[in-house]
Amino acid sequence: SQTIHQWPATLVQPVGSPLSLECTVEGTSNPNLYWYRQAAGRGLQLLFYSVGIGQISSEVPQNLSASRPQDRQFILSSKKLLLSDSGFYLCAWSRSSGIISYNEQFFGPGTRLTVL
Amino acid sequence: AQSVAQPEDQVNVAEGNPLTVKCTYSVSGNPYLFWYVQYPNRGLQFLLKYITGDNLVKGSYGFEAEFNKSQTSFHLKKPSALVSDSALYFCAVRPSLAGGGNKLTFGTGTQLKVEL
Repeated sequence: SQTIHQWPATLVQPVGSPLSLECTVEGTSNPNLYWYRQAAGRGLQLLFYSVGIGQISSEVPQNLSASRPQDRQFILSSKKLLLSDSGFYLCAWSRSSGIISYNEQFFGPGTRLTVL
Repeated sequence: AQSVAQPEDQVNVAEGNPLTVKCTYSVSGNPYLFWYVQYPNRGLQFLLKYITGDNLVKGSYGFEAEFNKSQTSFHLKKPSALVSDSALYFCAVRPSLAGGGNKLTFGTGTQLKVEL
């Protein structure tokens, strides 16, 4: 079976410090990978998605970046955190079937980031 | 561009009564539709999806949803609510002929509260 891991679970960082959040998927190969941010416990904002190693698509301009150094590893980073980067960060994966896929996304447990 | 509307921020229902959480969508062409549930400080859990075929879709934990093409709706239902169903529910959509990445557009969420 497939599992998705995120760490850390919670993180408190000062403004201006760097950030690295990691997401890994087990039990599947060549998944599509996604980073979302959820603010105020509500709406989900898609930040990045990836269809393969080294392939990153950014959905919104921001202070964050993403990388996919391995097939099942997705990293969210920042060089200098802002107060507005606080939120609940969710990683997700879906199966890929070429370009067209209707498969649902499966979410990790999330990372609660507080920037002070 | 596709969009999802969840018109109710919160739905209150008594345990044992039927529940409905509403969702309407806008998409070019045929939609793929999904429902997710989120418990506090957790990731989203997949409940069910509509791809094609029977308009009534059955999912996890006794939930079901009915696809109505003429009303562009995909309401989530359960015949008898449980207190443990209290959570945040998200509807999501993607067009069937989308490009790469299998990106979903999520609604803003509906908080379901089931009371004794």
